[in-house]
Amino acid sequence: EDQVTQSPEALRLQEGESSSLNCSYTVSGLRGLFWYRQDPGKGPEFLFTLYSAGEEKEKERLKATLTKKESFLHITAPKPEDSATYLCAVNNFNKFYFGSGTKLNVKP
Amino acid sequence: NAGVTQTPKFQVLKTGQSMTLQCAQDMNHEYMSWYRQDPGMGLRLIHYSVGAGITDQGEVPNGYNVSRSTTEDFPLRLLSAAPSQTSVYFCASSYSGLNGNTIYFGEGSWLTVV
Repeated sequence: EDQVTQSPEALRLQEGESSSLNCSYTVSGLRGLFWYRQDPGKGPEFLFTLYSAGEEKEKERLKATLTKKESFLHITAPKPEDSATYLCAVNNFNKFYFGSGTKLNVKP
Repeated sequence: NAGVTQTPKFQVLKTGQSMTLQCAQDMNHEYMSWYRQDPGMGLRLIHYSVGAGITDQGEVPNGYNVSRSTTEDFPLRLLSAAPSQTSVYFCASSYSGLNGNTIYFGEGSWLTVV
């Protein structure tokens, strides 16, 4: 069964304290792994797509990496504006499966 | 560029009432889908469509109907609302559901069934 698990459920960081979010997946035919950011009361906003193990993508303080079983979203020197829920999803043909997200809170 | 537009933003229904959540996209995307988001459950796929005239079920289709008469529109119908359908609903679209094409989301519709 296709499945996505994210950890931790919640993460509190001090401004400047780097950390990583984990996304473990089980999918029969991976077509892509996606990271989204979701702010309260808003729809998910696309961040990255990763297609193959070993691939990395960066955007400002965020860096996403992919292995055959999991993906990490590394946050370097986070700022309060990085506070949001980060969602991971996998694409298997015509279906997308989402994890339940990691709620990140960055304190000044 | 409007992207994916959902209406209404907020709705309160009584148990047993019916309603339609509207979704429209202006990106000429073939693939459209509906999700519901509940606390601790993440986004769960309700129904999806790979093109006009073609729809299929997702993980949680019971209690919901869809149709796709045009490329632009993909309405979600609740025929007889139940309190268990209280949730936030998101419509999303993509060029294709295959090959890792990114899906883009609307801003959500908050539905409360009392």
